[in-house]
Amino acid sequence: DAGITQSPRYKITETGRQVTLMCHQTWSHSYMFWYRQDLGHGLRLIYYSAAADITDKGEVPDGYVVSRSKTENFPLTLESATRSQTSVYFCASSGDIGDNSPLHFGNGTRLTVT
Amino acid sequence: KNEVEQSPQNLTAQEGEFITINCSYSVGISALHWLQQHPGGGIVSLFMLSSGKKKHGRLIATINIQEKHSSLHITASHPRDSAVYICAVPSGVGNQFYFGTGTSLTVIP
Repeated sequence: DAGITQSPRYKITETGRQVTLMCHQTWSHSYMFWYRQDLGHGLRLIYYSAAADITDKGEVPDGYVVSRSKTENFPLTLESATRSQTSVYFCASSGDIGDNSPLHFGNGTRLTVT
Repeated sequence: KNEVEQSPQNLTAQEGEFITINCSYSVGISALHWLQQHPGGGIVSLFMLSSGKKKHGRLIATINIQEKHSSLHITASHPRDSAVYICAVPSGVGNQFYFGTGTSLTVIP
């Protein structure tokens, strides 16, 4: 089935460790996004990508790194995790702007940094 | 300044009641999205609409482009409708979106 898959669903890590959250979509959508969701802030954009090898910063990019070597994958790496990065992370994808396509979300990754 | 404002922030209703959630936005848009998030769950796209009205089961979404306003209605509400409902509009930059802070709906049996 077509869809967008995030892994892991839950992750506990220690401060200072590197963590990678995975995101895979099967629609061949051009655009992919990483959001974090925190109480009182709603969804905030970390990074997005318009196509393979094209990425750009969102509202809260500090402490995160992304890559997009293949259209279907968009991993998010926390290079040195901090407690402030404890959050729920959502990956999303959509088609080209002119397509007016829906925004599809993964099921989220709940990350706890101790 | 928030580009997308939702109201109410929280809503409690009795089962069977008619529910209305409102979304106002300040940017020019091509389409508006309504999203649903159940407690502890993922985010699901309910509607994408650029004009008029769309209906899916007991859910109805309307939009008035001139007034920059959209409403999400739920008829004959049910406890399983309890969720956070989020309004989103394209920002016009790199296919990014502005999100409302969500309306938390609780439907009591």
